Amino acid sequence: QKEVEQNSGPLSVPEGAIASLNCTYSDRGSQSFFWYRQYSGKSPELIMFIYSNGDKEDGRFTAQLNKASQYVSLLIRDSQPSDSATYLCASYTGRRALTFGSGTRLQVQP
Amino acid sequence: DAGVIQSPRHEVTEMGQEVTLRCKPISGHNSLFWYRQTMMRGLELLIYFNNNVPIDDSGMPEDRFSAKMPNASFSTLKIQPSEPRDSAVYFCASSLQGRDTQYFGPGTRLTVL
Repeated sequence: QKEVEQNSGPLSVPEGAIASLNCTYSDRGSQSFFWYRQYSGKSPELIMFIYSNGDKEDGRFTAQLNKASQYVSLLIRDSQPSDSATYLCASYTGRRALTFGSGTRLQVQP
Repeated sequence: DAGVIQSPRHEVTEMGQEVTLRCKPISGHNSLFWYRQTMMRGLELLIYFNNNVPIDDSGMPEDRFSAKMPNASFSTLKIQPSEPRDSAVYFCASSLQGRDTQYFGPGTRLTVL
């Protein structure tokens, strides 16, 4: 079992809709979680991170963490074609550096 | 402020040749990471340095790969001899500490013919 799992997609949503990206992790010792966005041919860039159970909002982005269910999600409100990218979920367990999932490809249809 | 700098951005070489990738982390960052990304395997951590000391090299695929960090502002990843299966994008990233947000460089696209 991979430490961080994501559905590879593609996840296709119409412009203006809410995109929901999901990530599960296997290590209950995971302390913090990061969402990165990667455009094709570019390097990953941080969108947001979350440490505590519950929701964390930043503009159109909301990260949700449920440690009991070992589940992290990223919601993108009012999706735009420019949000089309691969979204990488990563966890930090304290033992080593970040562990990345394989990413979910999001397509926002105009 | 400059981000993570990597060179070269593209490298095309022939099987058996030595390849050296270079990275300059963000000034003040104490942790440096080398990743490899392919379509099949995604983003894989190769090695992680903290304060110039290798902490975790369990991701280094085999003895053909080696990495050094002689000082806080420079690291190299060397492949010798290179093989076609090494073709990938190699990213360098840095962070204040290992647990913190990592900032990625633009990557080096390596093609081994």
